Amino acid sequence: DTAVSQTPKYLVTQMGNDKSIKCEQNLGHDTMYWYKQDSKKFLKIMFSYNNKELIINETVPNRFSPKSPDKAHLNLHINSLELGDSAVYFCASSPSGTHGYTFGSGTRLTVV
Amino acid sequence: GDSVTQMEGPVTLSEEAFLTINCTYTATGYPSLFWYVQYPGEGLQLLLKATKADDKGSNKGFEATYRKETTSFHLEKGSVQVSDSAVYFCALSDRTGANSKLTFGKGITLSVRP
Repeated sequence: DTAVSQTPKYLVTQMGNDKSIKCEQNLGHDTMYWYKQDSKKFLKIMFSYNNKELIINETVPNRFSPKSPDKAHLNLHINSLELGDSAVYFCASSPSGTHGYTFGSGTRLTVV
Repeated sequence: GDSVTQMEGPVTLSEEAFLTINCTYTATGYPSLFWYVQYPGEGLQLLLKATKADDKGSNKGFEATYRKETTSFHLEKGSVQVSDSAVYFCALSDRTGANSKLTFGKGITLSVRP
């Protein structure tokens, strides 16, 4: 069983569209994250949720809206997609109080 | 704020060569330090970690020692293999609990030729 799974793995869409990326973890972790990896491989945190509560929001445009229906899921919805949103988005999870981060395999988003 | 600085890449080595990838950090507290590896087309995998000064993390022949006096966590391997070709990220986390997060360096691409 995949510990942190993301769907879709690849997403190609036109500018201006709205899209969602889904993430699920079966590790029983309390905290989930979204990271963005740009074309130069640089990784930066976007959001974190702990037990469905938003904890970290790192200066991400309002077009990005995370949603956590329960502590095993953290979805990322992006409105009005722009060319600069093209990147690989990684979901991750960790148990509270530890540094045991587990990453998903990533979603490569291409905006054309 | 927290930051991680890695040496500039890419790095190309011959099989069985010695590897050192430098990493230094800036943090307000006493962070935990990590090396993650990303193989082509895959997600990030934890390679090793150290949670306090002088700790040595090790895995798959890779080692790194947490040096508080030099704020460094350099990655080493005595004899690299072609299968070690990947992108390597140094990272830190200076908090635990609900507001924990990882701060990454820029990553360095390692290519090992036969």
